Amino acid sequence: ILNVEQSPQSLHVQEGDSTNFTCSFPSSNFYALHWYRWETAKSPEALFVMTLNGDEKKKGRISATLNTKEGYSYLYIKGSQPEDSATYLCAFHTGTASKLTFGTGTRLQVTL
Amino acid sequence: EPEVTQTPSHQVTQMGQEVILRCVPISNHLYFYWYRQILGQKVEFLVSFYNNEISEKSEIFDDQFSVERPDGSNFTLKIRSTKLEDSAMYFCASSRTHGGTDTQYFGPGTRLTVL
Repeated sequence: ILNVEQSPQSLHVQEGDSTNFTCSFPSSNFYALHWYRWETAKSPEALFVMTLNGDEKKKGRISATLNTKEGYSYLYIKGSQPEDSATYLCAFHTGTASKLTFGTGTRLQVTL
Repeated sequence: EPEVTQTPSHQVTQMGQEVILRCVPISNHLYFYWYRQILGQKVEFLVSFYNNEISEKSEIFDDQFSVERPDGSNFTLKIRSTKLEDSAMYFCASSRTHGGTDTQYFGPGTRLTVL
């Protein structure tokens, strides 16, 4: 059974703060790691697909890094805004199966 | 931008009743998926579907569940006799290819409440 964990479970920051969360996954059988942003009542939005050790990807104020040898990925948000409030999900893919195995999610709340 | 749509957004049913959840995947996608999230738990995989057949299913996806692509656009999940523990948010997703580097695009979900 694949175990994908995320920390912290929830986070409350002030507007303008920078923040980061962690996704931990099995380092064996790694193929890809997906990050999603999910706002309540909306579709989970794909942020990044990461495959290579040392990968770093960026989308606006959000960036992510990947360490496949030790089995973790960090998601960073620079200068958080209230519209960044959402649950951030990571999902692991082994490449041999079609499914994504999700982490528990980190719920971010950004207040003024 | 193309998106995955799901209907209904919320379904309430009595235990033992059949429900059908509907999804319209992105039009040029070939792989389709159902996931669910029970409140407070992780999003978990149910089934994947390609070329009109199930390509993978989880232990959750027992004989009470079935999937179908009845026409060129819809993808459905049927639960034959709902149980209380089937209450969850059900997500449909689609992707162009099977590969793990291809994004799975998710719909907004159907919240199923079994009473």
